[in-house]
Amino acid sequence: DIQMTQSPSTLSASVGDRVTITCRASQSISSWLAWYQQKPGKAPKLLVYKASSLENGVPSRFSGSGSGTEFTLTISSLQPDDFATYYCQQYHTYPLTFGGGTTVEIK
Amino acid sequence: EVQLVESGGGLIQPGGSLRLSCAASGFIVNTNYMSWVRQAPGKGLEWVSVIQSGGSTYYADSVKGRFTISRDDSKNTLYLQMNSVRAEDTAVYYCARGKADNWYDPWGQGTLVTVSS
Repeated sequence: DIQMTQSPSTLSASVGDRVTITCRASQSISSWLAWYQQKPGKAPKLLVYKASSLENGVPSRFSGSGSGTEFTLTISSLQPDDFATYYCQQYHTYPLTFGGGTTVEIK
Repeated sequence: EVQLVESGGGLIQPGGSLRLSCAASGFIVNTNYMSWVRQAPGKGLEWVSVIQSGGSTYYADSVKGRFTISRDDSKNTLYLQMNSVRAEDTAVYYCARGKADNWYDPWGQGTLVTVSS
């Protein structure tokens, strides 16, 4: 199975900060990576697919990059609505696997 | 509007069976990949199973041989038959639509399955 490792697991930041979350795959997954945002008690929401393609309706302050084994999700200017948990997911190979999540907290 | 609504969760004893349903509206289930993903209380996301548009199915090792994914085209509904359940199957179960491949949007609101005696 492909292991997905996110860092950090928790991140404290302020409104307006630039935030970067890293996701590493245990083997190359090309660009077959998605990012999701999840708020407490809610279902995940797709943000990015194919590593860097922004889903329709997602604010442009979100961006994804990377290929192979290392990927990043960047929020250029953190907004109050962005405090949530973020997950990466590989879809190169079954079983599909998720990272452990990164919780973005208010500093 | 594209929407998914899960049902069928509840309290079940270890070793028992349960069937989850996911009713879809706004799109045709059998033209998309459809997955079940679960989330244990306070934990991260764990993929459970997928049924591809062509009907092929895949499972996580943790549920293989115990869970079965299926769909009813006449009802535009996805199912997850859960047999021989264990305490570690306790989770919120989400269904989700694959967009062109195995990235998912939208997701349903989730249904809670609690396995306990």
